Formats: sequence, C-alpha cells, structure tokens
Amino acid sequence: EVQLVESGGGLVQPGGSLRLSCAASGFTFSTYWMHWVRQVPGKGLVWVSRLDGDGSATRYADSVKGRFTISRDNAKNTLYLQMDSLRAEDTAVYYCATSYYDSRVYFDYWGQGTLVTVSS
Amino acid sequence: QSALTQPASVSGSPGQSITISCTGTSSDVGGYPYVSWYQQHPGKTPKLVIYNVSKRPSGVSNRFSGSKSGNTASLTISGLQAEDEADYYCCSYVSSSTLVFGGGTKLTVL
Repeated sequence: EVQLVESGGGLVQPGGSLRLSCAASGFTFSTYWMHWVRQVPGKGLVWVSRLDGDGSATRYADSVKGRFTISRDNAKNTLYLQMDSLRAEDTAVYYCATSYYDSRVYFDYWGQGTLVTVSS
Repeated sequence: QSALTQPASVSGSPGQSITISCTGTSSDVGGYPYVSWYQQHPGKTPKLVIYNVSKRPSGVSNRFSGSKSGNTASLTISGLQAEDEADYYCCSYVSSSTLVFGGGTKLTVL
C-alpha cells in the first residue's frame, strides 16, 4: 500500500525558514517524480514544485522560485521542501503527491498534509 | 503561471448531467494532453478522477468523463448522485515544465 506521510509543519515568523519532509513507502520511490502541492484552508489547490526520480530535474511555481528548494533522499525514501524567506501568503496545508499513471504530471497518491502558518 | 479558469460553482439535480469547464491557453491546456481532474470532499485529500484529458483511473465511476476542445477542457458527470457534491479542480502541464491548477468549482447536488 502506498503511503505518503508529511511532517515538519508549524508556526514560523515572516522571513523565517522551515523544512518539510515526506516519508514514502509502498512503491519504488526512486523511480517516481514527486510533487509538493499547497492549499490554503477553504481555498484552491496550488502546485508548488516537482522533482524527478534522481533529483536532477526540478521545477517551481513562480510564487516560490528562489525561496523554496525541493530535494530527495532515495536511500531514506524521503522528499523534502526547504522553505526560506517565508511570507504570510505561504500559509497553507502542504501535500506531497505522486502518481502511478504518470508521476511527471498527475497526482493519485497524496499525503495527509502538514500545516504551515507564517505569522508574527 | 496564471490559474486555469473554472466556474466558481455549478449545480444539478440527482440524475442530471453537469459539465465543468476549464479554460487555459495554447501553452497549457491547448498544447498538451496532460489535463487531469480532481474531486475533493470537505476535509479530505483530492482524488484523481480523470487523467490524460479523458482517461478514468481504476475504480472511478464511468459517470465521470473528460474532453478537450482547443484551450478548454471539460469534466462531465452524468447521473448526478448526492455523493458527487464536492469541489472539482482541473490541472494542466505548462510549457515551462511546470503545472497549474484551476481555481476550483463547487458542485452542489440540489
């Protein structure tokens, strides 16, 4: 059974940093692209970033480019999102996600999400 | 990376059919076959209901269908049921090798 479990969310001040983790199990992690998607409670889904299986190809939404860094440790089956220079508008639930059908572009496996709150 | 355009809300009675549109540009929806649709019930994680414009994942009801014409993709739900009441999001691959979601549509089953 595929499982994605996020951790690392919490309250952080504007300008601060946070690192999210996503522990994966139940599939061959190193062969799947992985994504981060965020959602402000009560609002819509927003794609944040994606990373290929060996960690060499990354892409970011314009809203986080230069501030967030996606990475992975295939030995630990774990995906990361390093978030720096955080802003109030980064407040959201962050999900890691991937897909059996085409992990480059779809999301049929989702974690439960971790809440990031940026506030003073 | 502007969000794809979806109607904020649609509604229909049980048994009826509804269609949700998702409008983008030739750089996203119109340029690639990588359009997907997600259903999200309150307090739940999203569920993939359509991928590759019109394909249904295993286990998704055949009442859900997808199509695309030009820069607009559509999700049609036939034989509406109370359990279909949820938020629906489209998503497309973008020429910049990124992805973009629509703003979401709230489906109300009357």
